[in-house]
Amino acid sequence: NAGVTQTPKFRVLKTGQSMTLLCAQDMNHEYMYWYRQDPGMGLRLIHYSVGEGTTAKGEVPDGYNVSRLKKQNFLLGLESAAPSQTSVYFCASTSLTADTQYFGPGTRLTVL
Amino acid sequence: GNSVTQMEGPVTLSEEAFLTINCTYTATGYPSLFWYVQYPGEGLQLLLKATKADDKGSNKGFEATYRKETTSFHLEKGSVQVSDSAVYFCALSDLIYNQGGKLIFGQGTELSVKP
Repeated sequence: NAGVTQTPKFRVLKTGQSMTLLCAQDMNHEYMYWYRQDPGMGLRLIHYSVGEGTTAKGEVPDGYNVSRLKKQNFLLGLESAAPSQTSVYFCASTSLTADTQYFGPGTRLTVL
Repeated sequence: GNSVTQMEGPVTLSEEAFLTINCTYTATGYPSLFWYVQYPGEGLQLLLKATKADDKGSNKGFEATYRKETTSFHLEKGSVQVSDSAVYFCALSDLIYNQGGKLIFGQGTELSVKP
C-alpha cells in the first residue's frame, strides 16, 4: 500500500496563476481532508469530504476549491493564487469508523 | 469552539533528558486526543492516542494520559534520543458520524535533542 500520496511535492507560482494539487489514497477511506500548515499556527483545515461527490468547508476555505469525483482522489484547486497561500499543504484520509487520520508527505507551495 | 493549546517551542534537550510537552484542550463532549509527530521534510504520523478519560496512550517510549479534570494530555518521555528531534502536534478529534471526524491541532512544538 502506498497510503496517501500527493502530487506535486513542490511548486512555485506567480500571483494570479492557477493550479491543482492531487491527493490519492489506496486505503478505501471514506473521509479525506486538505490542511495547510503555517509556522506557529499548526495545521488548519481547508476543506474536507465525507464521501465521493461530497465536499464541505473547513476553517480556512477562502481562495480554494475542491472536488471528489472518485473515492480515492481529492483535488485542491487554487483559481488565482495569492502570496498569502504560500504554505505547506497536507492531505489526509480516514475511514468511516476510525478516528486516526493518515497523512500524505505534503506539497510545498510558494506564490511570488 | 473546540481548541488545543500547546507549550511553545522550540524545546532543546540533551540526549537522555526527560521530556514533557504540555497540551491542554477545550472541547464539548468527549473527544479523542492525539499526539502526532512530524519528522523533518515529512508528513504527520500518529504517535499515540487516547479515546476516553484516564486512558493512557503509549508508543516508542512516549506516553500521555487523558486527564478530563484538568483538560490536559501532556506528552512525556523518560529519556529522549537525537532521533526524537521533530515537531510534535497535540490534536483532538470531534468525530461526528457521517459529518467527517475533524482534527483540531495545536500549534506544534519543535523538539531538538543534542548529543
